[in-house]
Amino acid sequence: AQTVTQSQPEMSVQEAETVTLSCTYDTSESDYYLFWYKQPPSRQMILVIRQEAYKQQNATENRFSVNFQKAAKSFSLKISDSQLGDAAMYFCAYRRLTGGGNKLTFGTGTQLKVEL
Amino acid sequence: DAGVIQSPRHEVTEMGQEVTLRCKPISGHNSLFWYRQTMMRGLELLIYFNNNVPIDDSGMPEDRFSAKMPNASFSTLKIQPSEPRDSAVYFCASMWILGGPGNTIYFGEGSWLTVV
Repeated sequence: AQTVTQSQPEMSVQEAETVTLSCTYDTSESDYYLFWYKQPPSRQMILVIRQEAYKQQNATENRFSVNFQKAAKSFSLKISDSQLGDAAMYFCAYRRLTGGGNKLTFGTGTQLKVEL
Repeated sequence: DAGVIQSPRHEVTEMGQEVTLRCKPISGHNSLFWYRQTMMRGLELLIYFNNNVPIDDSGMPEDRFSAKMPNASFSTLKIQPSEPRDSAVYFCASMWILGGPGNTIYFGEGSWLTVV
Protein backbone atom coordinates (compact mmCIF):
# COMPACT_ATOMS: atom_id res chain seq x y z
CA ALA A 1 0.00 0.00 0.00
CA GLN A 2 1.09 3.50 -0.72
CA THR A 3 1.96 5.77 2.19
CA VAL A 4 2.67 9.48 2.38
CA THR A 5 4.75 10.98 5.18
CA GLN A 6 4.98 14.59 6.24
CA SER A 7 7.49 14.77 9.04
CA GLN A 8 6.96 18.44 9.92
CA PRO A 9 3.77 18.95 11.94
CA GLU A 10 4.39 22.71 12.08
CA MET A 11 6.52 25.24 10.24
CA SER A 12 6.92 28.98 10.59
CA VAL A 13 8.10 31.55 8.08
CA GLN A 14 8.50 35.29 8.08
CA GLU A 15 6.45 37.25 5.62
CA ALA A 16 8.26 37.65 2.28
CA GLU A 17 10.65 34.81 3.11
CA THR A 18 10.86 31.35 1.56
CA VAL A 19 9.82 28.11 3.21
CA THR A 20 10.04 24.48 2.16
CA LEU A 21 7.62 21.79 3.28
CA SER A 22 8.77 18.18 3.11
CA CYS A 23 6.97 15.11 1.88
CA THR A 24 8.11 11.57 1.23
CA TYR A 25 6.10 8.69 -0.10
CA ASP A 26 6.37 5.00 -0.56
CA THR A 27 5.19 3.22 -3.67
CA SER A 28 6.19 0.39 -5.97
CA GLU A 29 4.55 2.10 -8.92
CA SER A 30 6.58 3.91 -11.58
CA ASP A 31 3.85 6.23 -12.77
CA TYR A 32 1.69 8.31 -10.45
CA TYR A 33 0.58 11.81 -9.55
CA LEU A 34 1.63 13.90 -6.57
CA PHE A 35 -0.26 16.87 -5.22
CA TRP A 36 -0.07 19.58 -2.62
CA TYR A 37 -3.38 20.76 -1.19
CA LYS A 38 -3.85 23.77 1.05
CA GLN A 39 -6.46 23.82 3.80
CA PRO A 40 -7.07 27.25 5.37
CA PRO A 41 -9.13 27.66 8.55
CA SER A 42 -12.28 27.53 6.44
CA ARG A 43 -11.40 23.84 5.95
CA GLN A 44 -11.79 23.90 2.19
CA MET A 45 -9.24 21.77 0.36
CA ILE A 46 -7.57 23.85 -2.33
CA LEU A 47 -5.25 22.38 -4.94
CA VAL A 48 -1.90 24.17 -4.90
CA ILE A 49 0.20 22.23 -7.37
CA ARG A 50 0.38 18.91 -9.20
CA GLN A 51 3.27 16.83 -10.48
CA GLU A 52 3.19 13.87 -12.85
CA ALA A 53 5.87 11.34 -11.98
CA TYR A 54 6.79 10.78 -15.63
CA LYS A 55 7.74 14.43 -16.01
CA GLN A 56 11.28 15.28 -15.00
CA GLN A 57 10.62 18.99 -14.88
CA ASN A 58 9.48 20.29 -11.51
CA ALA A 59 6.04 21.87 -11.50
CA THR A 60 5.65 25.56 -10.69
CA GLU A 61 2.62 27.73 -10.02
CA ASN A 62 3.51 31.36 -9.42
CA ARG A 63 5.14 31.50 -5.96
CA PHE A 64 4.78 27.74 -5.45
CA SER A 65 7.21 25.20 -6.80
CA VAL A 66 8.14 21.62 -6.05
CA ASN A 67 11.34 19.68 -5.82
CA PHE A 68 10.47 16.24 -7.10
CA GLN A 69 13.13 13.60 -6.50
CA LYS A 70 11.70 10.38 -7.91
CA ALA A 71 14.53 8.08 -6.88
CA ALA A 72 14.41 9.38 -3.34
CA LYS A 73 10.60 9.41 -3.37
CA SER A 74 10.61 12.96 -2.16
CA PHE A 75 8.23 15.76 -3.10
CA SER A 76 8.83 19.03 -1.27
CA LEU A 77 6.89 22.26 -1.70
CA LYS A 78 8.66 25.61 -1.80
CA ILE A 79 6.72 28.78 -1.13
CA SER A 80 8.52 31.94 -2.14
CA ASP A 81 7.72 35.46 -0.96
CA SER A 82 5.43 34.08 1.74
CA GLN A 83 2.23 35.99 2.39
CA LEU A 84 -0.13 36.04 5.36
CA GLY A 85 -2.71 34.30 3.22
CA ASP A 86 -0.40 31.32 2.86
CA ALA A 87 -0.99 30.39 6.49
CA ALA A 88 -2.81 27.07 6.38
CA MET A 89 -2.47 23.34 6.74
CA TYR A 90 -0.71 21.81 3.75
CA PHE A 91 -1.30 18.22 2.70
CA CYS A 92 0.83 16.17 0.38
CA ALA A 93 -1.11 13.54 -1.56
CA TYR A 94 -0.40 10.62 -3.88
CA ARG A 95 -2.49 9.00 -6.56
CA ARG A 96 -1.72 6.06 -8.78
CA LEU A 97 -1.73 6.68 -12.50
CA THR A 98 -3.62 3.48 -13.34
CA GLY A 99 -5.83 1.35 -11.20
CA GLY A 100 -6.27 2.15 -7.54
CA GLY A 101 -9.53 3.83 -8.30
CA ASN A 102 -8.01 7.28 -8.66
CA LYS A 103 -8.20 7.77 -4.92
CA LEU A 104 -5.86 10.11 -3.09
CA THR A 105 -3.68 9.01 -0.21
CA PHE A 106 -2.88 11.93 2.07
CA GLY A 107 -0.09 12.71 4.48
CA THR A 108 -0.85 13.99 7.97
CA GLY A 109 -0.29 17.61 7.05
CA THR A 110 2.02 20.48 7.95
CA GLN A 111 0.62 23.55 9.67
CA LEU A 112 2.29 26.63 8.20
CA LYS A 113 2.35 29.84 10.22
CA VAL A 114 3.32 33.11 8.56
CA GLU A 115 4.69 35.79 10.87
CA LEU A 116 4.99 39.53 10.33
CA ASP B 1 -17.69 26.61 -13.03
CA ALA B 2 -19.61 26.27 -9.76
CA GLY B 3 -17.30 23.75 -8.13
CA VAL B 4 -18.33 20.87 -5.89
CA ILE B 5 -21.32 21.92 -3.80
CA GLN B 6 -22.03 20.36 -0.43
CA SER B 7 -24.88 20.80 2.00
CA PRO B 8 -25.37 21.40 4.79
CA ARG B 9 -22.20 23.31 5.63
CA HIS B 10 -22.75 22.79 9.32
CA GLU B 11 -24.94 20.32 11.15
CA VAL B 12 -25.41 19.71 14.85
CA THR B 13 -27.51 16.71 15.74
CA GLU B 14 -28.26 14.53 18.68
CA MET B 15 -26.94 11.04 19.05
CA GLY B 16 -29.23 8.51 17.45
CA GLN B 17 -30.58 10.86 14.82
CA GLU B 18 -30.25 10.28 11.09
CA VAL B 19 -27.91 12.59 9.21
CA THR B 20 -27.89 13.09 5.45
CA LEU B 21 -25.09 14.94 3.71
CA ARG B 22 -25.52 16.01 0.11
CA CYS B 23 -23.15 16.63 -2.76
CA LYS B 24 -23.39 18.02 -6.26
CA PRO B 25 -20.20 17.28 -8.22
CA ILE B 26 -18.74 19.53 -10.85
CA SER B 27 -20.77 19.27 -14.03
CA GLY B 28 -19.25 16.74 -16.40
CA HIS B 29 -17.22 14.95 -13.76
CA ASN B 30 -17.77 11.21 -13.69
CA SER B 31 -16.02 10.17 -10.49
CA LEU B 32 -17.12 11.15 -6.99
CA PHE B 33 -15.47 10.64 -3.62
CA TRP B 34 -16.53 10.98 0.00
CA TYR B 35 -13.75 11.73 2.49
CA ARG B 36 -13.87 12.22 6.24
CA GLN B 37 -11.43 14.35 8.22
CA THR B 38 -10.82 14.02 11.94
CA MET B 39 -7.98 15.09 14.19
CA MET B 40 -7.21 11.52 15.13
CA ARG B 41 -7.35 9.85 11.72
CA GLY B 42 -6.70 12.68 9.28
CA LEU B 43 -8.27 12.41 5.83
CA GLU B 44 -9.88 9.07 5.10
CA LEU B 45 -11.56 7.92 1.92
CA LEU B 46 -14.96 6.49 2.75
CA ILE B 47 -16.29 5.55 -0.66
CA TYR B 48 -16.00 6.50 -4.29
CA PHE B 49 -18.17 6.16 -7.39
CA ASN B 50 -17.31 5.95 -11.07
CA ASN B 51 -20.15 6.76 -13.45
CA ASN B 52 -22.60 6.61 -10.52
CA VAL B 53 -21.53 3.08 -9.56
CA PRO B 54 -19.90 2.46 -6.16
CA ILE B 55 -16.44 1.07 -6.78
CA ASP B 56 -14.86 0.84 -3.36
CA ASP B 57 -16.66 1.26 -0.06
CA SER B 58 -14.01 -0.40 2.08
CA GLY B 59 -13.49 2.85 3.95
CA MET B 60 -17.06 3.06 5.18
CA PRO B 61 -16.65 2.58 8.93
CA GLU B 62 -19.70 0.44 9.58
CA ASP B 63 -23.22 -0.37 8.53
CA ARG B 64 -24.51 2.85 9.99
CA PHE B 65 -22.97 4.61 7.00
CA SER B 66 -24.44 4.40 3.51
CA ALA B 67 -23.88 6.36 0.31
CA LYS B 68 -25.83 6.65 -2.90
CA MET B 69 -25.41 8.30 -6.25
CA PRO B 70 -28.75 8.12 -8.07
CA ASN B 71 -27.51 10.25 -10.98
CA ALA B 72 -24.42 12.02 -12.26
CA SER B 73 -25.20 15.26 -10.47
CA PHE B 74 -26.12 14.15 -6.97
CA SER B 75 -24.84 11.99 -4.14
CA THR B 76 -25.76 11.47 -0.50
CA LEU B 77 -23.93 10.15 2.52
CA LYS B 78 -26.23 8.96 5.27
CA ILE B 79 -25.44 8.09 8.87
CA GLN B 80 -28.14 6.26 10.80
CA PRO B 81 -28.04 6.25 13.76
CA SER B 82 -25.41 8.91 14.36
CA GLU B 83 -22.91 8.72 17.23
CA PRO B 84 -20.62 11.33 18.81
CA ARG B 85 -17.57 9.66 17.25
CA ASP B 86 -18.99 10.47 13.82
CA SER B 87 -18.27 14.14 14.46
CA ALA B 88 -15.96 15.24 11.66
CA VAL B 89 -15.71 17.26 8.49
CA TYR B 90 -17.05 15.30 5.54
CA PHE B 91 -15.75 16.22 2.12
CA CYS B 92 -17.18 15.40 -1.23
CA ALA B 93 -14.83 15.56 -4.21
CA SER B 94 -15.10 14.92 -7.92
CA MET B 95 -12.99 14.47 -11.02
CA TRP B 96 -13.20 13.67 -14.70
CA ILE B 97 -11.73 10.34 -15.65
CA LEU B 98 -10.40 10.62 -19.18
CA GLY B 99 -11.01 6.98 -19.93
CA GLY B 100 -7.92 6.17 -17.94
CA PRO B 101 -5.91 7.80 -15.15
CA GLY B 102 -7.90 10.99 -15.19
CA ASN B 103 -7.03 14.38 -13.85
CA THR B 104 -7.24 16.39 -10.66
CA ILE B 105 -9.65 15.76 -7.80
CA TYR B 106 -11.54 18.87 -6.70
CA PHE B 107 -13.03 19.17 -3.24
CA GLY B 108 -16.15 20.79 -1.90
CA GLU B 109 -16.07 23.08 1.12
CA GLY B 110 -16.99 20.26 3.46
CA SER B 111 -19.85 19.54 5.83
CA TRP B 112 -19.03 20.03 9.49
CA LEU B 113 -20.93 17.46 11.50
CA THR B 114 -21.22 17.57 15.27
CA VAL B 115 -23.08 14.79 17.05
CA VAL B 116 -23.89 15.57 20.68
